[in-house]
Amino acid sequence: GESVGLHLPTLSVQEGDNSIINCAYSNSASDYFIWYKQESGKGPQFIIDIRSNMDKRQGQRVTVLLNKTVKHLSLQIAATQPGDSAVYFCAENRESSASKIIFGSGTRLSIRP
Amino acid sequence: NAGVTQTPKFRVLKTGQSMTLLCAQDMNHEYMYWYRQDPGMGLRLIHYSVGEGTTAKGEVPDGYNVSRLKKQNFLLGLESAAPSQTSVYFCASSGRTSGSPTNTGELFFGEGSRLTVL
Repeated sequence: GESVGLHLPTLSVQEGDNSIINCAYSNSASDYFIWYKQESGKGPQFIIDIRSNMDKRQGQRVTVLLNKTVKHLSLQIAATQPGDSAVYFCAENRESSASKIIFGSGTRLSIRP
Repeated sequence: NAGVTQTPKFRVLKTGQSMTLLCAQDMNHEYMYWYRQDPGMGLRLIHYSVGEGTTAKGEVPDGYNVSRLKKQNFLLGLESAAPSQTSVYFCASSGRTSGSPTNTGELFFGEGSRLTVL
């Protein structure tokens, strides 16, 4: 079956440090991955995506790395700020089924002052 | 633009009652989704739609029905509510990649509908 999972449910990071959130997936046919951020009481928001023909993609303060060999992706947040406190989800969109977007269980990121 | 709007935002039901959640989007998106979110479970896909008049089952479709009669609206129905359906329900929509028939994968979410079934 399909599954997208996370290594750690919670992550505590010192303000100003870099954060790394990990995600493992089991479906080797998946070729498109997305990271979402969910703040308390709100719906998830798109952060960054990556296709399977890429190993790395950078955005503003965020970088996503994809390792297809071990079916693992990570989200790196540079210079973590208090506003980064949220739950982060990786999601998988199987192009072959066009639009079935499956989410992982999430990692809660907390920032220490 | 309002984006994605869900109604109602809160509802309490008794076991066996029926109700419908309405999702409306004003971005002319092709794809629409209903997810449920339980504590520690992340978001689970209930049903989705790739266009007006079409629907498909997600990961947890049992106990729910959906309809997409108009492109901008996606309705989620509970015919006979059960306590196990107590959850926060999120609707989302996404559009096509420019110049491509495929989904962008960038979902725009509503604020959620909190449903309690007693």
